Parts: sequence; structure tokens; C-alpha cells
Amino acid sequence: GNSVTQMEGPVTLSEEAFLTINCTYTATGYPSLFWYVQYPGEGLQLLLKATKADDKGSNKGFEATYRKETTSFHLEKGSVQVSDSAVYFCALSDAGNNRKLIWGLGTSLAVNP
Amino acid sequence: NAGVMQNPRHLVRRRGQEARLRCSPMKGHSHVYWYRQLPEEGLKFMVYLQKENIIDESGMPKERFSAEFPKEGPSILRIQQVVRGDSAAYFCASSPFSNTGELFFGEGSRLTVL
Repeated sequence: GNSVTQMEGPVTLSEEAFLTINCTYTATGYPSLFWYVQYPGEGLQLLLKATKADDKGSNKGFEATYRKETTSFHLEKGSVQVSDSAVYFCALSDAGNNRKLIWGLGTSLAVNP
Repeated sequence: NAGVMQNPRHLVRRRGQEARLRCSPMKGHSHVYWYRQLPEEGLKFMVYLQKENIIDESGMPKERFSAEFPKEGPSILRIQQVVRGDSAAYFCASSPFSNTGELFFGEGSRLTVL
């Protein structure tokens, strides 16, 4: 079945460091791919998404490119801030059904000043 | 505009008791989803509901679990005769009519079964 594998955390970085959180997937068909973020004390919220191969999703300085050849959707940011400290979740739509998502385990990021 | 509201945030039950978790979707959202996060596992889809209808319950355990989203009031996830393995975080999400894949989540309800 479809699945998502995310890099394990926690990840600890200094402010202005470069961030990569790896995400790879297994899926049949052409799923959409998502990154969600959960800030402390809040619910998950959509960070960015990509709906087809080679699409790049971007938001708040974060980017991820839908790579079908490597079945990956790695999250990157060139310069992290303390306010980026959160848990990041990679997800894909199951069988092209955007209402049913399959999730990675989440990666906790802590950014120190 | 209030977000998705879940309550209680924390619930403790003894084995055999019933647990009821409530979710009020964002204003204007008619679709509700329940996900469960077991310790050391990712979020798992449980059920998708529209007002008064269960659309997809393929992730719901066959016994003891039920969900509803009545015409008036919040969505309810009900777990009867809870067991220790039901201890988890239960997340509710909502979305508007359009199917873009963007879900709006509540902060979750953490159930502990003693």
C-alpha cells in the first residue's frame, strides 16, 4: 500500500542554517504531496503542496519539489528562524483522493538563536 | 474566524468506560475528518463525514468505534468499552466543499485509558 517515510528527528539547528527534511513515498498512481506543520500548542496546518511531478510547492521560505524519479518530496529552507521550530509532517493523498491522506511520523525541528 | 475546536483536550477513562470526543469544524466547513495517532506511529485516517452522512469509514475499527456529524452541533467520535490500546491522540480536521487537499486541524484530544 501507499506509505510515507520521513527523516527521523529531532533536528536541531542554529538560526540562519540551511534546513532539509527528507521525505520519500511509495504510491500507485499520481498522488498529491503535502507538507504540514504543527507549531507548539496549535493544530496542524498546511505549509505547501504539489499536485504533479516536477511541481514545486513553496510558502514562508520553504520549498519542496515533487520528484517522481526518486519518489521524494524533501522540504528545504535556506535560512531558518527560531519561529520555524515546530513538527513537520509529510503526507500524500491516497489513490488520488485528497480527502484521505497518508502521513509520515513527523520530524521535530528546534532552531536555537 | 475560530479554528477547529476539539474538546476535551485531555480525557482519562478506565477500561470498559465510554469516551466521547467532540469536534466543531471551522465556520463554513461541511466536511469533517477524524485521524488517530498512536504512540510512535503517524496519523491514521479513521473516518470522513459530511453533515448527517458518513462518507468513508474505512479506517474505523469494526467494533466499539462510531462517529457522527449531526445537522446541528459538533461531530462526535465515540469509543465504547475502551481498552488500553485506545490510548492515543485523536485529531479532527475540517475542510470546505472544494477538494484541494487542505485540511484544517484542531489541536487534538489525548485519550488515556487506565
